[in-house]
Amino acid sequence: SAVISQKPSRDICQRGTSLTIQCQVDSQVTMMFWYRQQPGQSLTLIATANQGSEATYESGFVIDKFPISRPNLTFSTLTVSNMSPEDSSIYLCSVLGRTYEQYFGPGTRLTVT
Amino acid sequence: QKEVEQNSGPLSVPEGAIASLNCTYSDRGSQSFFWYRQYSGKSPELIMFIYSNGDKEDGRFTAQLNKASQYVSLLIRDSQPSDSATYLCAVNSFKTSYDKVIFGPGTSLSVIP
Repeated sequence: SAVISQKPSRDICQRGTSLTIQCQVDSQVTMMFWYRQQPGQSLTLIATANQGSEATYESGFVIDKFPISRPNLTFSTLTVSNMSPEDSSIYLCSVLGRTYEQYFGPGTRLTVT
Repeated sequence: QKEVEQNSGPLSVPEGAIASLNCTYSDRGSQSFFWYRQYSGKSPELIMFIYSNGDKEDGRFTAQLNKASQYVSLLIRDSQPSDSATYLCAVNSFKTSYDKVIFGPGTSLSVIP
């Protein structure tokens, strides 16, 4: 299994600002995923980030709002731009194991006021 | 029809009883099925995965898969209070050009001492 860290673990941000979340993996992985989990809800996939290519966004998520970088095989960032209270959520990064199981980071708890 | 469905619960069972968690999925082409456990305030952790029809046992956990009925379940024997958590069913989807895991809404389990 992979060991994944995320920074920050939590933050409180003002409306209209942006926050960049970092995800670091202890081994090289091809695919990294960014999820959002709103209070009391399940996981919603935001985008898939492959090293060396543009991220692939799911329906309802756009690059202008959630730009993603993937500069190498162990690191990715997700930026939540022009935040509103509706963006208050837990943001999780994950990586894929050899048998398609996923390993998740500890999450970033974002509150937008 | 949602792609992955679960009873939201909460499901309450007494300590020592068998907890039965159910999940149905819509994509007949799905090949991989996962159960994750998520404690409150924590990120999901993999419990089991199953690929073939039938039962797969791991300690107190048994996953059951019936592809003809598009049904997967998780049985927890000798339930313990520490099993109290939300259980997420996840299914691989190959509808898009890349592998993607779809998560169900989760079932909240409460084991009563």
